[in-house]
Amino acid sequence: EAGVAQSPRYKIIEKRQSVAFWCNPISGHATLYWYQQILGQGPKLLIQFQNNGVVDDSQLPKDRFSAERLKGVDSTLKIQPAKLEDSAVYLCATQAPYSSGYNEQFFGPGTRLTVL
Amino acid sequence: DQQVKQNSPSLSVQEGRISILNCDYTNSMFDYFLWYKKYPAEGPTFLISISSIKDKNEDGRFTVFLNKSAKHLSLHIVPSQPGDSAVYFCAASAGSNTGKLIFGQGTTLQVKP
Repeated sequence: EAGVAQSPRYKIIEKRQSVAFWCNPISGHATLYWYQQILGQGPKLLIQFQNNGVVDDSQLPKDRFSAERLKGVDSTLKIQPAKLEDSAVYLCATQAPYSSGYNEQFFGPGTRLTVL
Repeated sequence: DQQVKQNSPSLSVQEGRISILNCDYTNSMFDYFLWYKKYPAEGPTFLISISSIKDKNEDGRFTVFLNKSAKHLSLHIVPSQPGDSAVYFCAASAGSNTGKLIFGQGTTLQVKP
């Protein structure tokens, strides 16, 4: 079974520029998450999708961050304009439909963003 | 407000000995707890979990203990192996079907040969 794919793996931009990240989930995983992991901290949830609908975006800085999940499969996360404090690893995770017990989230390798 | 805390940024143990990683939480609504392991340049991978209705869950060399009254959980690795060297994250969820995870800051484990 293929894992969660993310691209690009690394991105360096200047502040005020725009950037987009892409995530391809594990086939059949209806739930998709975007996390931000700042150096020395644990991942922090930005947004959760169920199929192509947003379940939770309470932690997403909506003045500069946006995300979409077209057709309930691939997802993109965009930052426009970027700030220095956006430097972090952006992780995508997906989760199988609920059956019984807890279905763990599977993480992609992440995109490391550096804002100069 | 840090709802999940891992107060030890790093831990170093000798190969073959026990590694104990600790985690504290403040939200009494949390009812499911997970440990993830992360190698450099990779995403976190699921290691082991425990429901709040249990106080212990074991999977091979890994055991997680939950003390609800103290709002504390720990991960025991016995025996520790050099390949266990990684960053370990504790995470908590309110509702097994809720999905949203709150992560601790992580503890870097180094297992010396």
